[in-house]
Formats: sequence, C-alpha cells, structure tokens
Amino acid sequence: VMTQSPATLSVSPGERVTLSCRASESVSTNLAWYQQKPGQAPSLLIYDASTRAAGIPARFSGSGSGTDFTLTISSLQSEDFAFYYCQQYNNWVRGLTFGGGTKVEIK
Amino acid sequence: EVQLVESGGGLAQPGGSLRLSCVASGFTFDDYAMSWVRQTPGKGLEWVAGITGSGGSTYYADSVKGRFVVSRDNSKNTVHLQMNSLRAGDTAVYYCAKDRANYGDYLEDWGQGTLVTVSS
Repeated sequence: VMTQSPATLSVSPGERVTLSCRASESVSTNLAWYQQKPGQAPSLLIYDASTRAAGIPARFSGSGSGTDFTLTISSLQSEDFAFYYCQQYNNWVRGLTFGGGTKVEIK
Repeated sequence: EVQLVESGGGLAQPGGSLRLSCVASGFTFDDYAMSWVRQTPGKGLEWVAGITGSGGSTYYADSVKGRFVVSRDNSKNTVHLQMNSLRAGDTAVYYCAKDRANYGDYLEDWGQGTLVTVSS
C-alpha cells in the first residue's frame, strides 16, 4: 500500500513544496512520480526515486529509498498546479500500486 | 514520438463485456511491456493489468483477476483488454501505458484514455 500526504496542499507561486509518499514495505528505489492536470493523462516526472524524466525542469526533484519518499518542487510555477501520484514498481507479480495522490492547489 | 491511442470504451450493462484496444506507434512494440491503468471519476489511479513484450506473461490486479484478460497482437502493434462480468465499480477512464522495459516498471508514456461506464 502506498500512502501519500497531504491529500491537498494549498500554496502560493514561488513557494517550495514537499510531497510525501510512504510504502507499507520496502520498494527499494523502485518508485516513480507522475503529474496529472485536469482532463489529461498522467505524465512521468521522476523514476527510480530520484531521476528526472526527459524534459522535466530541474525544479522537480525526488528523494528517498525503502519506504519513505519525497517529491520537492523548489519554486512552484503556475503550470505546476496539478495532482501528483507516486507509484511503486518493485514487484510486478504483486501489482504496480499507486498512491492516492496529492492535489497542489493555488492558495 | 510515442503514440498510444485507446478505443472501445462506452456503456455496458452490469455483467456485460467490453473489449478495449490500444494501438501503439513510435517505438519497437514487442520490446516493451504494456499496462492498463484506470481512474475512477474524481479518484486516483489503479493499475489493472500488464503484459510482457512477447505476450507470454500477464499480470492482474486482484480487483479484476478472473474477469479481465490482457492480450497483445504484435503484428498490429495493439494491446487489448477484454473486460467480462463488468460491475459498477469498473466505471472509469482506462489508460494504456508503455512500460520502461519488458517487465513491470514505471510508465513512460500514456494514451489519452477511454471511458467505460457500467450501468443499467
């Protein structure tokens, strides 16, 4: 089970944002983060816990291993207001599970 | 450029069936595993099923095991999701997605999704 917190984060543009994702058991660094905007499919931000996907700005960073992970946005831009989901891919046989998501909204 | 285009969604009755398809382009299709992920209206994401590049191995979420079948036709760059014994709780947007490699992994590319509504 993947648990994300908080469920909603109200922030102002330019602020630093930290999102949390916790796994019920160790997933090593087999963790990805996705961004989803209303009416769109999710898109990959971070994989292997800390590697930015192609074209992702440097203001996005990921960290963690084992059971505790963090996605940080160093200075929130207007286009970053969206939902963010973590996903573990440690064991395909047992399923690729997503967290419940965090909504980052304008304060 | 990777493109994934889903089709086959629509309205189905409880207990009924639907078959979703996803046509892929822009990459060597049989080198990659493919997944189906769904999103209930207003809710989060749920991985549903995955299949290896050859189609030789398939994996399912417990919520759909025994009811859904994932398959692929590599000659047509297409992956399918056969959904049987549908329930109201299966109502969702269904996305097909390309895995990073030929096994369950993170999802590099996503289609735009197709809506499945299960209702009488």
